[in-house]
Amino acid sequence: NAGVMQNPRHLVRRRGQEARLRCSPMKGHSHVYWYRQLPEEGLKFMVYLQKENIIDESGMPKERFSAEFPKEGPSILRIQQVVRGDSAAYFCASSPGNNQPQHFGDGTRLSIL
Amino acid sequence: AQSVTQLDSHVSVSEGTPVLLRCNYSSSYSPSLFWYVQHPNKGLQLLLKYTSAATLVKGINGFEAEFKKSETSFHLTKPSAHMSDAAEYFCVVNNNAGNMLTFGGGTRLMVKP
Repeated sequence: NAGVMQNPRHLVRRRGQEARLRCSPMKGHSHVYWYRQLPEEGLKFMVYLQKENIIDESGMPKERFSAEFPKEGPSILRIQQVVRGDSAAYFCASSPGNNQPQHFGDGTRLSIL
Repeated sequence: AQSVTQLDSHVSVSEGTPVLLRCNYSSSYSPSLFWYVQHPNKGLQLLLKYTSAATLVKGINGFEAEFKKSETSFHLTKPSAHMSDAAEYFCVVNNNAGNMLTFGGGTRLMVKP
């Protein structure tokens, strides 16, 4: 049973570029969550998606960040015009349903030059 | 709204001695509570969860936690630390809708030989 797969594991971008982070949930899981972890901090909720729907995006920054979970393919977290403050580890989690334990991927570590 | 406070940012124990990682929560409803462990450059692994069944919850790797409503606590314990237990531990509470995790700041556990 493959777990939650995130790629790339490490991503380096220059200021102003776009970053695209991918997440494939565990088999049988239709709920996806994205979290951000800044250095020396806990994870902060960003967005919760089901297939083709954003359910809760209360933790997403108002600008430059977007997320999708299409009918086919992985969930994508997109950050446009990246800035130094976007440097962080971004974790994806999935669950089989609402209020079920979330299983995490190994994260994507984004570094902005 | 819910919140989690981990009372110690760092805990150091000797191998073979007991482990106690403290967590207090705040919630306006009956929460689901979790402990996750994060090894360096890895994702989060679920250690155990409390969902209003037994107040003493047993998890993986010999860890357990006790839910005490009167003290709003959910401390994590292990009778005998192992070197492989060295990691970051997060106490986590679910929101009322069951779709958003709120993380404590984390406790870094160091195990001395």
